[in-house]
Amino acid sequence: AQSVTQLGSHVSVSEGALVLLRCNYSSSVPPYLFWYVQYPNQGLQLLLKYTTGATLVKGINGFEAEFKKSETSFHLTKPSAHMSDAAEYFCAVTRNTGTASKLTFGTGTRLQVTL
Amino acid sequence: NAGVTQTPKFQVLKTGQSMTLQCAQDMNHNSMYWYRQDPGMGLRLIYYSASEGTTDKGEVPNGYNVSRLNKREFSLRLESAAPSQTSVYFCASRAGWTDTQYFGPGTRLTVL
Repeated sequence: AQSVTQLGSHVSVSEGALVLLRCNYSSSVPPYLFWYVQYPNQGLQLLLKYTTGATLVKGINGFEAEFKKSETSFHLTKPSAHMSDAAEYFCAVTRNTGTASKLTFGTGTRLQVTL
Repeated sequence: NAGVTQTPKFQVLKTGQSMTLQCAQDMNHNSMYWYRQDPGMGLRLIYYSASEGTTDKGEVPNGYNVSRLNKREFSLRLESAAPSQTSVYFCASRAGWTDTQYFGPGTRLTVL
């Protein structure tokens, strides 16, 4: 079975400060990992993903995440927060990409950005 | 391309009523999914369809049925709605050769 734990249901940062959203996963096989963002009253949009290869992956809007197998982590970072980053962020894991591929989501972290 | 579309956007039902949530995608994707989103619980998979003609239960299938009408459309039916089914429902689709799911805008359902 696979699972995702997101530490902190709410994170508040000042505009211009570092954003760090934490995600730890559990998977019995090499995982594929994703970060999705949900803006208010909208669906989910893919921010970035790790499948194979380079462990530091860059996504849209200046976000990046690093896959650390030894720590079973995939934390999301952004050097400088912007007001437009305020949203809910979901980490997700899948362990295969066959036709029956299914995502398991974390419970989400709501990011607040203050002036 | 409209991507993934869902209808309706909002719906209020009384306990015991039935309704069908519609989802369509125009990306020629093989796999489609239905999730529900509840506060503090993330997204949970209700049902999915790996390809046209197949459907399988996800994590929380009780009280729901699905139909993969054709490659484009995947509907979710509540036969007898209960207050516990008050939620936001998302449809998603995925091409067979990639691992990325694309989400619709959601349907906000309230059961009184």
